[in-house]
Order: sequence, then C-alpha cells, then structure tokens
Amino acid sequence: ETGVTQTPRHLVMGMTNKKSLKCEQHLGHNAMYWYKQSAKKPLELMFVYSLEERVENNSVPSRFSPECPNSSHLFLHLHTLQPEDSALYLCASSQDHGGGVSNQPQHFGDGTRLSIL
Amino acid sequence: GESVGLHLPTLSVQEGDNSIINCAYSNSASDYFIWYKQESGKGPQFIIDIRSNMDKRQGQRVTVLLNKTVKHLSLQIAATQPGDSAVYFCAERQTGANNLFFGTGTRLTVIP
Repeated sequence: ETGVTQTPRHLVMGMTNKKSLKCEQHLGHNAMYWYKQSAKKPLELMFVYSLEERVENNSVPSRFSPECPNSSHLFLHLHTLQPEDSALYLCASSQDHGGGVSNQPQHFGDGTRLSIL
Repeated sequence: GESVGLHLPTLSVQEGDNSIINCAYSNSASDYFIWYKQESGKGPQFIIDIRSNMDKRQGQRVTVLLNKTVKHLSLQIAATQPGDSAVYFCAERQTGANNLFFGTGTRLTVIP
C-alpha cells in the first residue's frame, strides 16, 4: 500500500472514446503529479498541481486534460487519443513548500496501463 | 540540458552479494537526488534520497553515495535478496524547481 491509489489499473479504449483516470492520495500531501511511462524511456512529467493549482504543463497535447478538485484527488481526462499514447500513466504526490517546490520525495501509485486501439 | 543516465542497463548479482547501481547526472544545479525501485506491475517505490550537502546516506541495507565533483550517484544494496530484483531509477531535482528528471533505469536480477 503506497498511499496513492489509481483507478482503473488497466484501460483499453478506442481513439474516439472519452475516459478518465483517477488518482487519490491518502498521505496528506499538497502536490500531485501525472507522469507517462513508455517502454525504454525515462518517466515523462506531464502535469503538476500544487495546492490545487496547476504549476507545470510540459507541452502535453490538449487531448490530455487534468483536473484537481482538491489536494487528495487528481484526474486525467482523455479524449481522441492516438496509438502512441499507449503507456503506463503514473500519479504521484509529495509535500511541497510552496510554488511547486519541494525537497521531499514523490510517492507513486501503481499506475493505469492504457492501451489505445 | 539535463540528462540523467545509468552506466549499465542490466545488472545480475548472486544472492547474498552486494549490488552497486550507478547513475550519472549532468546538471551541477541539481541539489536533491532520489532512488526508486520499480517492480513489475507496480509504480516506482521510494528507496532513499540525499541532498547535495551530503555525500553519503544510509538506510536499511541501502547506501547512497553522492560525488558532486564528477556528478555521480550510486546505490549500494547489501546482501542482495531475490526480492530486490527490479528496475532501479535515479532522479534529480534542480534547486528551486519542482521537476524530477529520471534516468531510464537499471534492471537488477538476483540469481538465487
């Protein structure tokens, strides 16, 4: 149990579907992150929320839309994805010192394995 | 730009031996480093971290060494066990930034 729960664990969707990934953290952290993990590539940071405000958006295509309704929940809304978007999507949380800056480790969930048909 | 890389993509060790996993980084502005372990089907699990004002930190069976002169980070695992088999990532953060930059990982295989 990592304290960060992601659902669903697996998702298969067509390119025209709309789906959402959910992340919930039980660690009392104030920052949450979305990462993409593809085979043989380093983890790619997608979005950062600190105190429920987005502080980082690493040139992610608009077909990915994050939402952070409160400090414990994070969503990634997906629509009209492409086959190259198939990957493991990881959520993480950490305790920030403000402005998205932290020298505390990020704690990860087990990810959602996404397959685009 | 920053780069975080690992010297070896795979490492096989005999059970009971010590393991050393290496990581090179290129950004001298990085001041915080983390090692993660990722088992199959799971997310990265925090192992140990170290700040740039230290050169060594020990945990349970693990030691992280930081050499800022040559921008090198290593993770030592004592008495490696089959449960240590996983992919190990190092990550770095620049001073004042919120991004972690990850390496591609080293796969550690423990031979019983």
